[in-house]
Amino acid sequence: QQKVQQSPESLIVPEGGMASLNCTFSDRNSQYFWWYRQHSGEGPKALMSIFSNGDKKEGRFTAHLNKASLHVSLHIKDSQPSDSALYFCAVSTGGIFFGDGTQLVVKP
Amino acid sequence: NAGVIQTPRHKVTGKGQEATLWCEPISGHSAVFWYRQTIVQGLEFLTYFRNQAPIDDSGMPKERFSAQMPNQSHSTLKIQSTQPQDSAVYLCASSLGVLSYEQYFGPGTRLTVL
Repeated sequence: QQKVQQSPESLIVPEGGMASLNCTFSDRNSQYFWWYRQHSGEGPKALMSIFSNGDKKEGRFTAHLNKASLHVSLHIKDSQPSDSALYFCAVSTGGIFFGDGTQLVVKP
Repeated sequence: NAGVIQTPRHKVTGKGQEATLWCEPISGHSAVFWYRQTIVQGLEFLTYFRNQAPIDDSGMPKERFSAQMPNQSHSTLKIQSTQPQDSAVYLCASSLGVLSYEQYFGPGTRLTVL
């Protein structure tokens, strides 16, 4: 059974700072990776996907995938208070598995 | 496009009562997923349908939980004899496909079992 683990559990960064979120997975056959963000009282919303090794940048968000290391990460540049949310990593291989999330707080 | 619609948004039941949660997926989406979210357990997968057919219910507690998708415009999650430990936010999501496709989540139904 796929195991998806996220770190850290919680993260506080100053406004304008860089937030780095990590996710490890256990199944080497994993193919598709997503990052979701959930604001309080709402359902999760997809931020970005990454399917190939390397970096993928979308605005202030950069995802990095290293399948050999079983690791995917999300980096948020110039963090804003509106980025404060719960962030999930989702990994697909036969099924879809979510990590437990990282709670990000961006302090003004 | 109204997105995924879940009703009710909040439901309070007494222990032992039945609860039925509704989900209307985005039109044209072929896959519908159900999740349960709690502070302690995080986001737990329950079950999913593709083209209305049940595909994977490995996350469903077997005894009291059931899910159906009688037509392409709605799915229901039914919990019989609700227990306090069933209290959670139940999330429904839909997508165009399964593995490589973005899931669109509804706002969730907060179930409280007294």
